[in-house]
Amino acid sequence: DVKVTQSSRYLVKRTGEKVFLECVQDMDHENMFWYRQDPGLGLRLIYFSYDVKMKEKGDIPEGYSVSREKKERFSLILESASTNQTSMYLCASRPQSSYNSPLHFGNGTRLTVT
Amino acid sequence: QKEVEQNSGPLSVPEGAIASLNCTYSDRVSQSFFWYRQYSGKSPELIMSIYSNGDKEDGRFTAQLNKASQYVSLLIRDSQPSDSATYLCAADYGGATNKLIFGTGTLLAVQP
Repeated sequence: DVKVTQSSRYLVKRTGEKVFLECVQDMDHENMFWYRQDPGLGLRLIYFSYDVKMKEKGDIPEGYSVSREKKERFSLILESASTNQTSMYLCASRPQSSYNSPLHFGNGTRLTVT
Repeated sequence: QKEVEQNSGPLSVPEGAIASLNCTYSDRVSQSFFWYRQYSGKSPELIMSIYSNGDKEDGRFTAQLNKASQYVSLLIRDSQPSDSATYLCAADYGGATNKLIFGTGTLLAVQP
């Protein structure tokens, strides 16, 4: 069974803080993704990575950056947290030969920025 | 712009009835489709995947795909209150990327 682990279930941060969200997967998947989910807006892709040190912008990358130094780990960084970044953040992974493979999600991190 | 569209609901069905959830997609390149169930406050979990035209059955769930009409559906037979959740439809982006495009989800409420 694929396991995607997000380091925190709930986080509360202050405006202007630098925030790190960590995600680890144990299935040697090449592709990793960060989404945020807000009521009425669905899942929106922030960034994804198809290999170590490689990254691609998703639909809403502004205010975020990512890091992938090791294949199993994909970090999302909020350089200076703002209240409009309060959201549920979901990490996911998928193998490279992924035509028939689903995304596997972590349990999510509920981030509140005050 | 590639899109996946779902009716947001809520779709309310009585216990034991068939729930029918629908999804349309805009990109003919999309080849594979996935249905996820998401309980409130939890992350999405895979219910079904489908790649070929026609029906695919798994227990109480049946996924249906019509590529000519660009239409995917999920039928839930003998609906139970525990099926009450948001159901997300996702389409594979196709091409060299490995992204999925998600609809905004349909909220299903099964009334006891």
